[in-house]
Amino acid sequence: QVQMNQSGPRLLKPSQTLSLTCVVSGDSVSSNTAAWNWIRQSPSRGLEWLGRTYYRSKWYYAYAVSMESRLTINPDTSKNQVSMQLNSVTPEDTALYYCTRETKLASLDFWGQGTLVTVSS
Amino acid sequence: QSALTQPASVSGSPGQSITISCTGTYNDIGGYNYVSWYRQYPGEAPRLIIYDVNIRPSGVSNRFFGSKSANTASLTISGLQLEDEADFYCASYTSSGSLLFGGGTKVTVL
Repeated sequence: QVQMNQSGPRLLKPSQTLSLTCVVSGDSVSSNTAAWNWIRQSPSRGLEWLGRTYYRSKWYYAYAVSMESRLTINPDTSKNQVSMQLNSVTPEDTALYYCTRETKLASLDFWGQGTLVTVSS
Repeated sequence: QSALTQPASVSGSPGQSITISCTGTYNDIGGYNYVSWYRQYPGEAPRLIIYDVNIRPSGVSNRFFGSKSANTASLTISGLQLEDEADFYCASYTSSGSLLFGGGTKVTVL
């Protein structure tokens, strides 16, 4: 059974960098059949796809257009984890952040427990 | 990109069938058979219940049925049960390689 365990700070000030980590067990982040996505959810924006990384002989990355200037997703095969860094956060980045596994396009079959991140001065 | 369009709420009585629609464009739902549906209970992460338009993952009740016509996907829940009270979200792969979600539908069992 795949498990995805998220960790990271929950309270940030505007302009700081949000860093979240997702440790994966039961699958390999370098699997040739999976992609690793970050999703966020807020009352104002609903569910929002942020980006993904996946390995197919080399690493590939894709980011939402609205995020690509601030977001970086990094796999770490030595720890079997995927992390995200979102720069220059604002209160609009306040949301519940999830890491997820995608085994077919748009099919997010396993989700982390979620991390509630609040951005406030 | 604008979110896929779902009704804010749908309700039905126990035993009835309800259908939730999810409307997009030819750049997402209309262009690909990569539509998924998720059920979310309060305080929990969403759970995948349909993928590839109409495929149920192992362990998901056969009361859930997915379909698609042109730019609109639909989720039908038959034999409505109290446990079906939840929020439901659709999602689609898009021509830009991103993933687009619907705004969510709250299902109420009367």
